[in-house]
Amino acid sequence: SAVISQKPSRDICQRGTSLTIQCQVDSQVTMMFWYRQQPGQSLTLIATANQGSEATYESGFVIDKFPISRPNLTFSTLTVSNMSPEDSSIYLCSVERSSGVGEQFFGPGTRLTVL
Amino acid sequence: AQSVAQPEDQVNVAEGNPLTVKCTYSVSGNPYLFWYVQYPNRGLQFLLKYITGDNLVKGSYGFEAEFNKSQTSFHLKKPSALVSDSALYFCAVRDRGSQGNLIFGKGTKLSVKP
Repeated sequence: SAVISQKPSRDICQRGTSLTIQCQVDSQVTMMFWYRQQPGQSLTLIATANQGSEATYESGFVIDKFPISRPNLTFSTLTVSNMSPEDSSIYLCSVERSSGVGEQFFGPGTRLTVL
Repeated sequence: AQSVAQPEDQVNVAEGNPLTVKCTYSVSGNPYLFWYVQYPNRGLQFLLKYITGDNLVKGSYGFEAEFNKSQTSFHLKKPSALVSDSALYFCAVRDRGSQGNLIFGKGTKLSVKP
């Protein structure tokens, strides 16, 4: 498995502001992912972040709203821009080892509340 | 389109009894299948996976899952439930031809009563 940390663990933000969430992994990984878990719902993939290339966004998510950085093989950030109450969710990062066969390991999540 | 169905929002079991959490999927070809558990205010923990081979897969904390290709199901099971098993359980699938994109079910809340 991998040890994954996220900062902040939770935050309360005002409408119209932006929040950057950090994800740190204890070892080098090729693939990192960002998910959103809205209250009482399942996880939805926002984007895939591979080091050295632009993030790949899923349908319904755009770079202007959720810019992602992946500066090295152990770190990534997700920014939630121009927030609205509808952005209130848990945001999780996950990693998949290149040697693995599909399982992803998740960080503890960032619980975001937008007022 | 790929999808995962967990038909039960909640499963209630008495401690010591066997438990089953159901999952069916719709994916073209032969998928990878996973179960994850989410405890309150914590991230997802990987429980087990099916890649190929034996249809009965054993995972963490005494859980196992049975892959049934004809029924496109991957039900999670445990012979004897513990109160500490109470959590939210997610089934997920991934097309073998794609990288990374896990499709999650909506989750099933398991409640184990003493």
